[in-house]
Amino acid sequence: GNSVTQMEGPVTLSEEAFLTINCTYTATGYPSLFWYVQYPGEGLQLLLKATKADDKGSNKGFEATYRKETTSFHLEKGSVQVSDSAVYFCALVTDSWGKLQFGAGTQVVVTP
Amino acid sequence: DVKVTQSSRYLVKRTGEKVFLECVQDMDHENMFWYRQDPGLGLRLIYFSYDVKMKEKGDIPEGYSVSREKKERFSLILESASTNQTSMYLCASRITGSSGANVLTFGAGSRLTVL
Repeated sequence: GNSVTQMEGPVTLSEEAFLTINCTYTATGYPSLFWYVQYPGEGLQLLLKATKADDKGSNKGFEATYRKETTSFHLEKGSVQVSDSAVYFCALVTDSWGKLQFGAGTQVVVTP
Repeated sequence: DVKVTQSSRYLVKRTGEKVFLECVQDMDHENMFWYRQDPGLGLRLIYFSYDVKMKEKGDIPEGYSVSREKKERFSLILESASTNQTSMYLCASRITGSSGANVLTFGAGSRLTVL
């Protein structure tokens, strides 16, 4: 079956530090890949996505590249802000109903 | 923007009670989903509905049922709440037939505590 593995948190960083959150997946077929973000007290919202190999998704300074050869979709940001403190979820979908399979989530804490 | 509204943000119920969690979306989306979120487990799909009166089991449907009588409303029902159903419940919806079809819009969540 499909699965998503992402690095455990919490990840604690200082403002302006470089952020990487690793995500690897196992899937049948050709999944679309997503990063969702959950800010404190809120639901999840889409951060970025990639639908095929070598696609790069980007938004709000975050980037992730769909690497089929390593089955990975690592999230990166060059300079984090306190407002980036949140829980980040890697996810994939393979079926036509859009049923997302999520990783466990990685909490990121950015300190001033 | 699409809005997904979950009517109850926080609920406290007793073991054995029947619990209704309501979700309403305002953009005529065909598909709606219920997930539960637990620390270290991420989100797990309970049920989804691809249209009115249509429903499919997700990965963890045991102990839950759903109702979709109108397109905009998708209800999650706990027939007899148990303590292991204490969790955050997230509703989501999506439109079909477009390039953004796999993007879910989530509600803010309903945190249920069963005593």
